Amino acid sequence: DAGVTQSPTHLIKTRGQQVTLRCSPKSGHDTVSWYQQALGQGPQFIFQYYEEEERQRGNFPDRFSGHQFPNYSSELNVNALLLGDSALYLCASSPGGGYYGYTFGSGTRLTVV
Amino acid sequence: AQSVTQLGSHVSVSEGALVLLRCNYSSSVPPYLFWYVQYPNQGLQLLLKYTTGATLVKGINGFEAEFKKSETSFHLTKPSAHMSDAAEYFCAVIPSGGSYIPTFGRGTSLIVHP
Repeated sequence: DAGVTQSPTHLIKTRGQQVTLRCSPKSGHDTVSWYQQALGQGPQFIFQYYEEEERQRGNFPDRFSGHQFPNYSSELNVNALLLGDSALYLCASSPGGGYYGYTFGSGTRLTVV
Repeated sequence: AQSVTQLGSHVSVSEGALVLLRCNYSSSVPPYLFWYVQYPNQGLQLLLKYTTGATLVKGINGFEAEFKKSETSFHLTKPSAHMSDAAEYFCAVIPSGGSYIPTFGRGTSLIVHP
């Protein structure tokens, strides 16, 4: 049984560009959350999707947006990239909202130059 | 707002020694508590969780943690460290009755010496 799959694994972008990261949740999971993990820090919550709607949002600007598809997969889009957006972006899935804990993917390492 | 404090950004132990990683949380009601481990260039793996019931929780790889309400703590322990335990460990808290969005601590890097 595949866990959470994220693509790509690594990405280099230039300031001002736009990026799209992708996530396929674990089988049977309908809720997808995105986190940003800067070097040496804990993961910071960006937003959560359930039933194709953004259900919760953390303290991130509108440059960060997302989408969830009917098959529960999800995308994270970041516009107008800043150097400070360089981080590991983690996708986590859970059944029904996260009460039982989350399954994390291996992440996408984004470097903005 | 929930907060999680992990005391010590780095903990160094010898192989075979006791591992103790500290986690304190701020909450007016008992939350749900989690420990995750992250190996280099990987995502987070759930070690163990406390939701309700028994306060001593056993997880994978020989780890366990005890929820102490009076101390607002959820420290992670392992009786005997292995070299393979070297990794980053994160404590996380979800407020009970809330949105089930975990807040993570800053992490503790466990270093195991031969």
